[in-house]
Amino acid sequence: QVQLQESGPGLVKPSQTLSLTCTVSGGSISSGNYYWSWIRQHPGKGLEWIGYIYYSGRTYNNPSLESRITISVDTSKRQLSLKLNSVTAADTAVYYCARLYSKAGGWFYFDYWGQGTLVTVSS
Amino acid sequence: QSVLTQPPSVSAAPGQKVTISCSGSSSNIGNNYVSWYQQFPGTAPKLLIYDNNKRPSGIPDRFSGSKSGTSATLGITGLQTGDEADYYCGTWDSSLSAGGVFGGGTKLTVL
Repeated sequence: QVQLQESGPGLVKPSQTLSLTCTVSGGSISSGNYYWSWIRQHPGKGLEWIGYIYYSGRTYNNPSLESRITISVDTSKRQLSLKLNSVTAADTAVYYCARLYSKAGGWFYFDYWGQGTLVTVSS
Repeated sequence: QSVLTQPPSVSAAPGQKVTISCSGSSSNIGNNYVSWYQQFPGTAPKLLIYDNNKRPSGIPDRFSGSKSGTSATLGITGLQTGDEADYYCGTWDSSLSAGGVFGGGTKLTVL
């Protein structure tokens, strides 16, 4: 059973960088068609895909957030990380990490999710 | 404004059947597989349906998914009060701004 756990500061000041880590347990972080993704949910709103990373380090990010995002992976620690810079109040959200199954031909779904962590951007 | 369109809310009585629609376009639902997620307040989403109509292990067959053209539908039969939750559809969008996309979510109320 794959388990994911997000961690990081719950409060970030405007214009600073939001940094989160997701620790993966119970399964391989380096397997086949599985990627590792970040998704966020603004308070009372729907889900927004942020980006994904393959264990090799290949990433793909939401074009609307591309300029501010860095996603990385450390396979030895079984961790992925998210950095979002120049944050504003609009970045206040619950941030989830999730395992993504994806392959050419349109397969795309998130089968395991972390519990999520609320990050508030405020001075 | 979500790329995929879902009704904000649906309701039905216990034991009844309900369907939740998810409308998209040829760049997303029309050419990619759809997944559905169930989310209870304060918890993470849970995969309910993948590849349009497949259920992960442990998901009861009361939940079903289908796709036709650029729309997808989640069906829930034998409604239970425990099914009251938010439901989201998701897929990949292959347009110029390619990426993962979700519907805005549908709140299911079991009356």
